[in-house]
Parts: sequence; C-alpha cells; structure tokens
Amino acid sequence: QKEVEQNSGPLSVPEGAIASLNCTYSDRGSQSFFWYRQYSGKSPELIMFIYSNGDKEDGRFTAQLNKASQYVSLLIRDSQPSDSATYLCAVNGDFNKFYFGSGTKLNVKP
Amino acid sequence: DTEVTQTPKHLVMGMTNKKSLKCEQHMGHRAMYWYKQKAKKPPELMFVYSYEKLSINESVPSRFSPECPNSSLLNLHLHALQPEDSALYLCASSQDRLGEGYYEQYFGPGTRLTVT
Repeated sequence: QKEVEQNSGPLSVPEGAIASLNCTYSDRGSQSFFWYRQYSGKSPELIMFIYSNGDKEDGRFTAQLNKASQYVSLLIRDSQPSDSATYLCAVNGDFNKFYFGSGTKLNVKP
Repeated sequence: DTEVTQTPKHLVMGMTNKKSLKCEQHMGHRAMYWYKQKAKKPPELMFVYSYEKLSINESVPSRFSPECPNSSLLNLHLHALQPEDSALYLCASSQDRLGEGYYEQYFGPGTRLTVT
C-alpha cells in the first residue's frame, strides 16, 4: 500500500508569515507530486505540481521536492486569511492512480 | 482551460430512487475518475476510465455504476443507495499515463449527494 503522510494540523500562522506544509511518501518510484487546496465544502483545486528535485516557485507558493528523503513541501509566503483551507498532498502511482494524504488544515489569523 | 464540470451541484434521493451524476471535460484528457469524499477525509478513488474503458474499480458496490459514453463525458448511475453513501462525489480528469510521463489531475466542483 502506497502511503502519503501529512500532519493533520491545524497549523496556525499569523497573516504575513510563511506557512510551511510537509508531506512524506512511501513509494520511491513516485515521479509526480501535487498540492491541492480545498476550502470547506468545495472541491480540491490544484495549486502546484513538481516533478524534479529542488524548488518550484509560482507567485507566493513554492513547492520543494527531495526524492532521496521522499519528502515534498509547500511554502506559502505572505500568508493571507484567504489561504485558510485544507491542503492535500498527492502522489501519482501506477495505472493512473493518485494517492492522497489526509490533508493539513491551515489557519491564517488576521 | 482546466475546467471540469459536474451536474447537478446538489442531489437528494431516496433509497429506492435511480439517479445519475454527470461530468464533462474539454481538455482532451483521456483518463477520467470518480472519487467519493466524506467530511474531513481525503478523496477516495472509486473508478478510473482510460480511453473510455474502465481500468480501475476499487471494489465499489454495484449500486454505483459508471459509464463513459465518449472521451469527454463520464456518468455515475446510482441505484438503491444507502444513507452512508451521502458524500461529495468528485469527478476528475488527466492525461492518460502511457508508460513514463507527467500529468496533472483536475477536479470538478463536485455533486453533494444526500441519501434519505
């Protein structure tokens, strides 16, 4: 069973701070890694994907991947109250399967 | 455009009813998915279609019946559901993985299903 682990939180950060969300995965053969943001009652929204070791930046979001450590993270700079949501880490598997972590709830306090 | 659409947004049905959920995408994706999501849980995979053929069935009860009429459409037929089947049903699509490759999965807005 391929596993994706996330701290369920809640993670609380003040407005303007950096939020750091972490995810580990068990399958060394995984190649694609995704971060979804999900607001309460809404569907998951893809906000970042990363395929290569290192950092990938998009606006206030940075995804970091370390395949040797089987670790992927998401940094949110200048956090805003509108960033308050559950963040799901997902890893692709074989045969069109995606494995999801249980999600980390982020609270950004004004 | 990364839009996946789903209808209806909300559905209330009795345990003896038959209803269908619909999903559509126009991104040229050849893999389409149904997920079920309960509150405070991650999405749970139900079915995967690859090139309009059912490729994965995660041991879903037969009261859920998927159908892929063409590469853009995906249906989920519901019959004799139980109250515990109440959940958010999510459709998603992606490029199909042919050997090695990288691809992203996009979700639709979901159908909130309540079984009474």
